[in-house]
Order: sequence, then structure tokens, then C-alpha cells
Amino acid sequence: LAKTTQPISMDSYEGQEVNITCSHNNIATNDYITWYQQFPSQGPRFIIQGYKTKVTNEVASLFIPADRKSSTLSLPRVSLSDTAVYYCLVGAYILTGGGNKLTFGTGTQLKVEL
Amino acid sequence: DAGVTQSPTHLIKTRGQQVTLRCSPKSGHDTVSWYQQALGQGPQFIFQYYEEEERQRGNFPDRFSGHQYPNYSSELNVNALLLGDSALYLCASSFRAEAFFGQGTRLTVV
Repeated sequence: LAKTTQPISMDSYEGQEVNITCSHNNIATNDYITWYQQFPSQGPRFIIQGYKTKVTNEVASLFIPADRKSSTLSLPRVSLSDTAVYYCLVGAYILTGGGNKLTFGTGTQLKVEL
Repeated sequence: DAGVTQSPTHLIKTRGQQVTLRCSPKSGHDTVSWYQQALGQGPQFIFQYYEEEERQRGNFPDRFSGHQYPNYSSELNVNALLLGDSALYLCASSFRAEAFFGQGTRLTVV
């Protein structure tokens, strides 16, 4: 499984856009990039997943350059409730008969202030 | 639609005791994985069950065992508890590439 590197912590203010970059130099051809959000004493929550270029949903955008050795999670106009730990995961996903094994790093602690 | 449910939410055990944690997957999910999350760390994969069999296992000793029932619910058993087993234990059920996590069971070993 490809190892990921992301900042330990980031600070922001309400209303700002936050970009969290993840480095995954050893990403394999069949690997996807997935981001999870976790609040204290809760399970991680799926945010977004992508393979290449750009993916956008109602919560975030994920930017993946052509070489796929890094990715950036973009959170538009953050609020206090976005204060959480964000994990970048890389791995191949088995679509049938076995699900997936997720390998988490230590994540990025995002703190949003007024 | 209920998501992934875990019980109990909190548990205190003494060193050397045994513990059983329970998980009901999200409706329609047949694969259940268990993770251990120590304070300040990311979740670490323990093992995964599919079709009532352990399919994958992380780097955890044999003191950690599990079971999956025909209704896809699952149990995590830990024997001979150590102080270092104190953690948040998370259950995740998966469908395709997206995993849904429960709220976890906070286990404290004293």
C-alpha cells in the first residue's frame, strides 16, 4: 500500500477555503485516493474519492495532478463544525467479495476559528 | 436506514479479562472490518470478515479474534486484556469502495 504524507495540523478561519495536500509518491496504477473526516470519539466519515483530475461533491473537491503523486482536498468556506482530523488514504479497492482494507496515517488536524 | 451500530459505547475492564464488542453493519453490507484507534493515532486495521470468514488480518496478536454471523453482524473478542489495549474500537461495513464506520466502543483497561 502506498504511504501517504500530510501536514500534522492546519489552522483556518470561518469562511475561508482550506486546501490540505497529501503526498503519495508510490501510488500504484490501480490505487484510488480517498479522504475521510473524523470528529473526536466518532468513526471516520467518507468525504470524497478520486482517481485522476478533479472530483467535486456537495462537501469538497479533490484535485489530482496528472502524475497522481499528490492530491489536494479543498474545503470551500469552512465553518467551526469543520474542525476535525482529515485522513488521506491510498489503495486499490476490491469491488466485490471482500470490500477493502483501509490504511490510515495520523491525519491532519484542522482547526477552524472565528 | 440505520447506519453501522456498535455496542457498548463505553466499557471498562481489568487487565487479564476478556471482552466482546458487537457490530451491526449498515443495511445491505456484507463485509465488516474492525479497527483499533489509540489516542492521537489513526485507526489501525485489525481484521475483516466476509461470508462468515476472516479474509484479511492486520498486525494484531491472536488475542484478537472475531466472528461474523449469517445476518452479517460481527463480534470482536479480545482475551487477556493489556493496558495497551485501551482504545477506541471501530467497526466499518463496506459496499464497493466506500466504508461506513460506527461510532465506536471506547475500551478502557485498568
